[in-house]
Amino acid sequence: EVQLVQSGAEVKKPGESLKISCKGSGYSFTSYWITWVRQMPGKGLEWMGNIDPSDSYKNYSPSFQGHVTISTDKSITTAYLQWTSLKTSDTAMYYCARHLVAVPTAPDYWGQGTLVTVSS
Amino acid sequence: EIVLTQSPGTLSLSPGERVTLSCRASQSFTSNFLAWFQQKPGLPPRLLIYGASRRATDIPDRFSGSGSGTDFTLTISRLEPEDFAVYYCHQYGISPLTFGGGTKVEIK
Repeated sequence: EVQLVQSGAEVKKPGESLKISCKGSGYSFTSYWITWVRQMPGKGLEWMGNIDPSDSYKNYSPSFQGHVTISTDKSITTAYLQWTSLKTSDTAMYYCARHLVAVPTAPDYWGQGTLVTVSS
Repeated sequence: EIVLTQSPGTLSLSPGERVTLSCRASQSFTSNFLAWFQQKPGLPPRLLIYGASRRATDIPDRFSGSGSGTDFTLTISRLEPEDFAVYYCHQYGISPLTFGGGTKVEIK
């Protein structure tokens, strides 16, 4: 069974760092991009970027480039999304999802989401 | 960046009605790398349609997608109670990938 399991909810203060995770199982981890999507409270979906776990090649949305870092550890089939200095505007639900590397495909399996709350 | 504009923002409908949702792209797609997702409160998005018109696994045939170029449509032939949700279109062919702003289908 394909699963993407994300780390638990986080409460942080502005300026703090954070790394959340997304563990894939039940499929060939290096055959699928991991994509990260932000959903701010009551708002729509925003594509942040993705990573090819086979070689760590990444794409970022211009809206998120420089503010977050996407990484992966294929030895433990886990992808990460990290911030070095959180802002209150980073408060959101963050989802990971997978899609094929070989050809463009839509994300078919999603993680359950990680809620990040940034508040002083 | 390809901007996807969904309309209308909200639809108020009754079970059994037919619904048509629109997604317009700011530039034409060379391939129909356009998907539709359904999202219910507290849950991740669920893939309904990919390749503009192909139903994902286990998606009922009352859901259908169509369109090409810059204009795409999701049709639900007959609304079931479980279909009341927010629907998003998504282009996955050109980086940066983008989502539309969503259409909420609510019970009238």
